[in-house]
Amino acid sequence: DAGVIQSPRHEVTEMGQEVTLRCKPISGHNSLFWYRQTMMRGLELLIYFNNNVPIDDSGMPEDRFSAKMPNASFSTLKIQPSEPRDSAVYFCASSLGYMNTEAFFGQGTRLTVV
Amino acid sequence: SQQGEEDPQALSIQEGENATMNCSYKTSINNLQWYRQNSGRGLVHLILIRSNEREKHSGRLRVTLDTSKKSSSLLITASRAADTASYFCATATNRDDKIIFGKGTRLHILP
Repeated sequence: DAGVIQSPRHEVTEMGQEVTLRCKPISGHNSLFWYRQTMMRGLELLIYFNNNVPIDDSGMPEDRFSAKMPNASFSTLKIQPSEPRDSAVYFCASSLGYMNTEAFFGQGTRLTVV
Repeated sequence: SQQGEEDPQALSIQEGENATMNCSYKTSINNLQWYRQNSGRGLVHLILIRSNEREKHSGRLRVTLDTSKKSSSLLITASRAADTASYFCATATNRDDKIIFGKGTRLHILP
């Protein structure tokens, strides 16, 4: 397996634009996580899915953020409209989801909103 | 929200010395995990210790867990330049599959 695949690796956009980040988890994994990493706040859990169903989205900062998982092999995180304070590295991770096993991370998407 | 908190925030040691990083957490856990992140990369899982375990080894890594004190430590023995990275502890509870990370310790190995 190629691991967790995220796209794009880098995204620069103007304030007010819509941004969509994509993630392909490892095949067979049942849990998928979206994290945001900044120097100030560290690695924050935004939302996690289990068997394609959103279980906990309490970390999603505002209504401008939304996430979907239409099937077991694809998830998106959308920011609309984007703001400069959304600039961060966004990571997707997946795990087997049973007995709290380890998470496997993608390489991240570095988002810059100007 | 952050569950784990690492200490120290940054650590510089000479190559060959041992590096110890600590993690404290707040609520009951099912397991505690340590991850490593090289600059500009994703996190890589190092070791998982369950709540009923007290110590675990993997190569040059030694992890301890004290559930009464809600704390864990990661020891890297005989450090190498390639160990330079950020190290994070993460906790998982019995309630769900959420994995919550601390802010990490930046480790720098001096040649």
